[in-house]
Parts: sequence; C-alpha cells; structure tokens
Amino acid sequence: GEDVEQSLFLSVREGDSSVINCTYTDSSSTYLYWYKQEPGAGLQLLTYIFSNMDMKQDQRLTVLLNKKDKHLSLRIADTQTGDSAIYFCAREDSWGKLQFGAGTQVVVTP
Amino acid sequence: NAGVTQTPKFQVLKTGQSMTLQCAQDMNHNSMYWYRQDPGMGLRLIYYSASEGTTDKGEVPNGYNVSRLNKREFSLRLESAAPSQTSVYFCATALRGDQETQYFGPGTRLLVL
Repeated sequence: GEDVEQSLFLSVREGDSSVINCTYTDSSSTYLYWYKQEPGAGLQLLTYIFSNMDMKQDQRLTVLLNKKDKHLSLRIADTQTGDSAIYFCAREDSWGKLQFGAGTQVVVTP
Repeated sequence: NAGVTQTPKFQVLKTGQSMTLQCAQDMNHNSMYWYRQDPGMGLRLIYYSASEGTTDKGEVPNGYNVSRLNKREFSLRLESAAPSQTSVYFCATALRGDQETQYFGPGTRLLVL
C-alpha cells in the first residue's frame, strides 16, 4: 500500500552488492521486515529489525534503519543469480498486522 | 511437516461462480491470514483470524468471506466471483510472539473470466 514504498526494479551484476530501499510513513512501526519471493512461490522471511536498532547483519544481508527519515534498506553482498527475486519490505503496525510495499524486482546479470 | 498448504494451486472461474480456497497449517500457529497479490500493489490483507473462532476484516474484504474452521484451517470463500478478483491469493500464519514472523503458503492463482 502507499504507506510503504519501494522502487520497482533493480538490476545488478553478479558479484556486486545490491541495495534495496524502502520508505514508510508511520513512525509507530515496531518491527520492519524483508521478505523474498521467488517465481511461483510464496513469500519467505529473510530478516527483520526492531525499530530501536539501526543496523542488523546476517551473513550476506545487512539491514539499515534510519528511523528519523523512516528509511529502511537491505544490502546483499556478493549478489548471486539465486538472489534474483522480488523483495518486499513490510512494517508491523501497532495492531500486529503487516503492511507490505509493492515489491522490488531484482534481476542479477552474469 | 508441510508448513502452510493451499488448495487449489490454480483455478479458472466464470463471473458469478462461487468457490472456496482452502488453507491448512501444521505449525500450531494461532494467527492466520488471507492476502491477495496484484502486480505493482504488493500484498493486501483480505481477512485475518487472530485465534480459533475469531475473524476480522483486513484492507480489502469486500466480495469475500472467511471461516476459521479450527486451529489448523482457514478458508476463503468467493460467493459470486468477479473479474476484479483475478489475483494470486496467499495464506499466511503467525505464532503471535514479540514480532510477527509470518509463514506463507505457495499461493492460489485465480482467473475469473
């Protein structure tokens, strides 16, 4: 929905880093999430960050949160062809429900 | 341990027909959700069930009904399908702890002619 916005497309070369950006409007977000969707499949949770943190690292994934600017990013180091997918940013509202962005299609080229 | 399963995987309906999408989970989760996914719009919540016996409307409930049959099963019914309901439908479940990790089924692709 319009409460969570993402760019629609990102092209990256294999081996480079990918950065996917997300902005949200409601500062009452508790947790923020990144989900991955491969073709023909459901969404798979990649990682999440609590709103009082500014960074979280998990292997090749780094999440940065700028709470002041309401900006969330996901960095994928050493991007591989298997990382080609749609990536969804989501925020958890005060009722515990998730609001998703429209998704960023990431295409990894050799 | 199948996680979250959905049936059918694909369905074609004519306008005005009815059908029920089934979702089952073996994760012993309390919360279950139905979303629809449309190009350029992400996922939108149709209905959810915080626990067995309760259901609540989400962002786009019109034209749908749900039943939380038991803790494992949550069905979505289209009483009179419309072309605007052509979409991919996802069921999800969550344990409802400190944070809302949702686990998604593989989806049902519905085409309404």
